[in-house]
Formats: sequence, structure tokens, C-alpha cells
Amino acid sequence: GENVEQHPSTLSVQEGDSAVIKCTYSDSASNYFPWYKQELGKGPQLIIDIRSNVGEKKDQRIAVTLNKTAKHFSLHITETQPEDSAVYFCAATPLGGGGNKLTFGTGTQLKVEL
Amino acid sequence: KAGVTQTPRYLIKTRGQQVTLSCSPISGHRSVSWYQQTPGQGLQFLFEYFSETQRNKGNFPGRFSGRQFSNSRSEMNVSTLELGDSALYLCASSLANYNEQFFGPGTRLTVL
Repeated sequence: GENVEQHPSTLSVQEGDSAVIKCTYSDSASNYFPWYKQELGKGPQLIIDIRSNVGEKKDQRIAVTLNKTAKHFSLHITETQPEDSAVYFCAATPLGGGGNKLTFGTGTQLKVEL
Repeated sequence: KAGVTQTPRYLIKTRGQQVTLSCSPISGHRSVSWYQQTPGQGLQFLFEYFSETQRNKGNFPGRFSGRQFSNSRSEMNVSTLELGDSALYLCASSLANYNEQFFGPGTRLTVL
């Protein structure tokens, strides 16, 4: 089955700096890669996703890049703000194929310091 | 549009008991997936239901089961609770042919 590795496990940045979180996956059949943000006491919130026919996707301060050859994808947050502090999870799954089964990375605790 | 709702939000049970958790998906969503989140194992897929049928299953023992009703609402059941079943149980819903999954707030289960 799919295995997703995520690094780093903790990340501390100064407000206004950029943050980068990296994930690798093992199953070449995976072609959908969402990123979730989880705040304390809440469920994961989908913040951005990318499909394998796209190399990069941006949404305001957030961007995701995908390298299918190397089987890795990354989340980039620019101009970080204190409200970006949370745990971020990457995930992977084959799109279609009759099911939804996300395999998650182990999470990155992002702390944005003033 | 209302999000995914889960009830109850918190539960305390003792070993050996059973528990039923409920999930109401986003209106129009037909797929409901369940995940277990623990500090040690992270987020792990339990199972997925679509049109009242289990479509996918993760690597959990048979004590974990679920079902989906005709209105897409779903329940999961854990029988003969063990201390290790203490976790946040998350439900996620998605449209029929898309994989964007939207999570509910979870049910925090504590087994004493």
C-alpha cells in the first residue's frame, strides 16, 4: 500500500518568513495530493490540493509543487502569519478507482513567532 | 452550506463496552470515510461508505464496523473497547466522483 513520509516534524519561523513542508510517497498510482491544516480541537481543514497532471498550484500565500518522477510534493507558505500556526498534514491517494482512501503523512507542527 | 457534523463530540467509556459514533455529511455528498487519529499512529483510514456500501476498508480489526443510511448519514461502531481505542475519530465526506474530502470536528473517545 501507499506510504507517505513528511518532513520536518516541527518548523518554527518568524512572522513574514516562508515555510516549506515536504512529503514523499511510494505508490506510483497515487495522483491526488491534498494538504490539510489542523488547529487544536478541530478536524483537518483542506487548504490546497494538486492532481498529477499539474506541477504547481497556487492560492494566495499557499502553493503546492509536485514532482511525479521523484514522488515528492511540497507545501509553500509565504509571508507567514501567527494564524498559520497549526499542524499540517500531507496525503496521497489514487484519484478515481472507485474509492476514497487517503494515506496521511505524520504531520508538521508549524509555529509562527512574532 | 453546513459542514460535516459529528455526534457526540466527546465520549468516555470503559473497557469492554461498545460505542456508536454518528456522522452527517455535507448535503449532496454520498461518500463518507472514517479515520482514527492518535498521537502514536497519526491519521489512519478505517473505512469508506458510498451509497450504503462499504467501498474501502483499512487495516483495523473486525471490532470496528460501520454503516451508511439512505440519506448518506453514517455510523461507526466499536465493540469490546480496549484502552488503545482512545482516539479522535474523524469523519470526512466527499462527492461521488471526487476525492476532495472535508472533515468534521471529530469525536474524542476516551476508554478507561
